Amino acid sequence: AQTVTQSQPEMSVQEAETVTLSCTYDTSENNYYLFWYKQPPSRQMILVIRQEAYKQQNATENRFSVNFQKAAKSFSLKISDSQLGDTAMYFCAFKVFEGAQKLVFGQGTRLTINP
Amino acid sequence: KAGVTQTPRYLIKTRGQQVTLSCSPISGHRSVSWYQQTPGQGLQFLFEYFSETQRNKGNFPGRFSGRQFSNSRSEMNVSTLELGDSALYLCASSWQTNTGELFFGEGSRLTVL
Repeated sequence: AQTVTQSQPEMSVQEAETVTLSCTYDTSENNYYLFWYKQPPSRQMILVIRQEAYKQQNATENRFSVNFQKAAKSFSLKISDSQLGDTAMYFCAFKVFEGAQKLVFGQGTRLTINP
Repeated sequence: KAGVTQTPRYLIKTRGQQVTLSCSPISGHRSVSWYQQTPGQGLQFLFEYFSETQRNKGNFPGRFSGRQFSNSRSEMNVSTLELGDSALYLCASSWQTNTGELFFGEGSRLTVL
């Protein structure tokens, strides 16, 4: 069975700063996907970024980038030039490469961006 | 394009009752999955439907069931409600069947008294 661990329940930074959210996972699979999902207060969860395990290059989406360390089973999210709208719960998630759309989520990190 | 729509948004039930939650996916999406979100257990996978067939089921008791209709709309049902069933139930749809890119609804918040 796969597990996903987010060791930072809460984080808080000032607007425009850079922040890194940590995630580790455990799996015996070789091919899989990793995700960061964002859940703003009282709004629906949205996908921030996705990484395929077979790709060595780290995924980036505008101000969001990941540091994927497959051997260490680590998948951190870096948010550059943080904005007030980045305030949300962030969930790290895992999915095996094949099969149903079953995601295993971490417990989440509550990120607050202060003005 | 309309997003994923879940109804009702809020509901209150008492122990022993049953509840049905509805989810309308984004037009063209054929995969619908359900997750339970609680403060203690976090987000847990309930089940996924694709083309009216359940493809996978999470580790939940048989009181939790679901179905998908030919128009891809899905319902989940919880019978004999328990206090621990109080949660935010999230529905997610996807176009591609395998990539994990899910589009979530705002959820149905169930309170069991």
